Amino acid sequence: QQQVKQSPQSLIVQKGGISIINCAYENTAFDYFPWYQQFPGKGPALLIAIRPDVSEKKEGRFTISFNKSAKQFSLHIMDSQPGDSATYFCAAGPGGYNKLIFGAGTRLAVHP
Amino acid sequence: ETGVTQTPRHLVMGMTNKKSLKCEQHLGHNAMYWYKQSAKKPLELMFVYNFKEQTENNSVPSRFSPECPNSSHLFLHLHTLQPEDSALYLCASSQDGVAGGADTQYFGPGTRLTVL
Repeated sequence: QQQVKQSPQSLIVQKGGISIINCAYENTAFDYFPWYQQFPGKGPALLIAIRPDVSEKKEGRFTISFNKSAKQFSLHIMDSQPGDSATYFCAAGPGGYNKLIFGAGTRLAVHP
Repeated sequence: ETGVTQTPRHLVMGMTNKKSLKCEQHLGHNAMYWYKQSAKKPLELMFVYNFKEQTENNSVPSRFSPECPNSSHLFLHLHTLQPEDSALYLCASSQDGVAGGADTQYFGPGTRLTVL
């Protein structure tokens, strides 16, 4: 019940295309769903996050879509750029506790 | 210095060595974390400290020993490690140090540990 499953493991997108990464969780107590971006040699950095009271959140080219009934959420990167090439991690946090469960990560490569 | 810093950035040690990893946060946060990051695996939470008190030990072997002398500093003492302990060790901090919901965690750049 504590797992967060992330797919795909790796993704190649052409510049200007849409990158889509999916995550599924099991624990219905989770109420915080962040996405982290990690560049080589750096620690993960928060990209965007959503709580289950909304189904979508958009910040610039990045959008989280959230489906509470299916217990799934996804990250969409519009107009993908080579600078977006990084590893992306989804995570989920149970309510009332500062503990995040991370997915295994997706390595995104955006080709010019 | 700003954010979360970690030293050393790289460490190579033998299985009989004793070494320590250091983390310092300059964000005024009251919760600090140690994570292990191995290739193609999810980040593994190791320890959580809230207001200097350990609140989570995720079944970590005793060869890893954390220390949190104050809310700004976190150490991970290492002794008699195994080659499979080779990984990137990440420190993080957050503001929400008590029960009340997960909050944004800010990560340091990590220490790349190699155990020979």
